[in-house]
Amino acid sequence: QKEVEQNSGPLSVPEGAIASLNCTYSDRGSQSFFWYRQYSGKSPELIMFIYSNGDKEDGRFTAQLNKASQYVSLLIRDSQPSDSATYLCAVTNQAGTALIFGKGTTLSVSS
Amino acid sequence: DVKVTQSSRYLVKRTGEKVFLECVQDMDHENMFWYRQDPGLGLRLIYFSYDVKMKEKGDIPEGYSVSREKKERFSLILESASTNQTSMYLCASSLTREREQYFGPGTRLTVT
Repeated sequence: QKEVEQNSGPLSVPEGAIASLNCTYSDRGSQSFFWYRQYSGKSPELIMFIYSNGDKEDGRFTAQLNKASQYVSLLIRDSQPSDSATYLCAVTNQAGTALIFGKGTTLSVSS
Repeated sequence: DVKVTQSSRYLVKRTGEKVFLECVQDMDHENMFWYRQDPGLGLRLIYFSYDVKMKEKGDIPEGYSVSREKKERFSLILESASTNQTSMYLCASSLTREREQYFGPGTRLTVT
């Protein structure tokens, strides 16, 4: 069974700090990686995707991918209370036919 | 802008009832998915469809069926609802299976 592992948290950071969310995956053949944000009672919302090793930046968000170590991370700079949510990591299986979701990390940003 | 809609936000049904959950996307996506999400268990794939009239079982298809008669519409059917099917049901669509999925707002189903 291919897996995506995330620390469930909660991860607590003060407002203005950098939040670092991590995800490891077991399928070495995975090619596409996604981060979703989910507010309580709402559906997941796509934040970022990354396909190549290295960093990808979008505003306050940076996704980092290391295929050799099989991990992907999400950095949130200048964290705001509105960033408080559960962050889901998703990875394609080797065949590219399905997304495998982690169970999510809950982030709490205190003002 | 991408748009996935689901027929109901909240639904309460009785045990044994037949339940229909509908999902519509306006992005001309080939692929559509049904998940359920439960605390501590994360997102679990029930069924997906990669083309009209095509369907494949996901990880937990038991007790569910699906229908995709038109490209934009994917229905989840609970043939005889049971209390263990109380959950948040999420529909998603994607252009191709390895691309990002876009989710609808979800239907919180309670079976009493």
